[in-house]
Amino acid sequence: GENVEQHPSTLSVQEGDSAVIKCTYSDSASNYFPWYKQELGKRPQLIIDIRSNVGEKKDQRIAVTLNKTAKHFSLHITETQPEDSAVYFCAASINSNYQLIWGAGTKLIIKP
Amino acid sequence: NAGVTQTPKFRILKIGQSMTLQCTQDMNHNYMYWYRQDPGMGLKLIYYSVGAGITDKGEVPNGYNVSRSTTEDFPLRLELAAPSQTSVYFCASTHTSNEQFFGPGTRLTVL
Repeated sequence: GENVEQHPSTLSVQEGDSAVIKCTYSDSASNYFPWYKQELGKRPQLIIDIRSNVGEKKDQRIAVTLNKTAKHFSLHITETQPEDSAVYFCAASINSNYQLIWGAGTKLIIKP
Repeated sequence: NAGVTQTPKFRILKIGQSMTLQCTQDMNHNYMYWYRQDPGMGLKLIYYSVGAGITDKGEVPNGYNVSRSTTEDFPLRLELAAPSQTSVYFCASTHTSNEQFFGPGTRLTVL
């Protein structure tokens, strides 16, 4: 079955710098790759997603890139701000019952 | 739209007790999911449903049961609570866009 690995588990960056979180997946049939943000004590919320027919997608300060050949995708956050501090989860789906296979999460810390 | 709602928000159980976690969505989503999230960890799928009357096991179903009698409701039942079931439980739903919408969660402690 599908397996998603996420790195790093913790990432600390200076406010204003960029942050990059990487995920790899195992099933080449996966075709949907979302990123969720979970603030402390809150529910996960979708921040950006990408489908397998697209290589890159941007939304203001966040972007996601997908490399289908290497089976990895990455989240890029530019000009980081204190409110970006959270745990970020990647996931992959092969559209089978719309199940998501989740990465283990990355705790992003923004240093002032 | 209220989205996905869960009750209760918090609960403390004694070992061996039973309880039902409620989940309701008002978005007419066919697909619903129950996850557990242990402290500092990711999400693990317990059970899911693709529509009323249809449920199936996820990654960690032992100790839990579900039912789906209506499109809106997807309750999760714990029959004999154990300390290993101490966790935060999230219910989620989706239609066909893949985006899963989460409820606020239920924080369960088993002592």
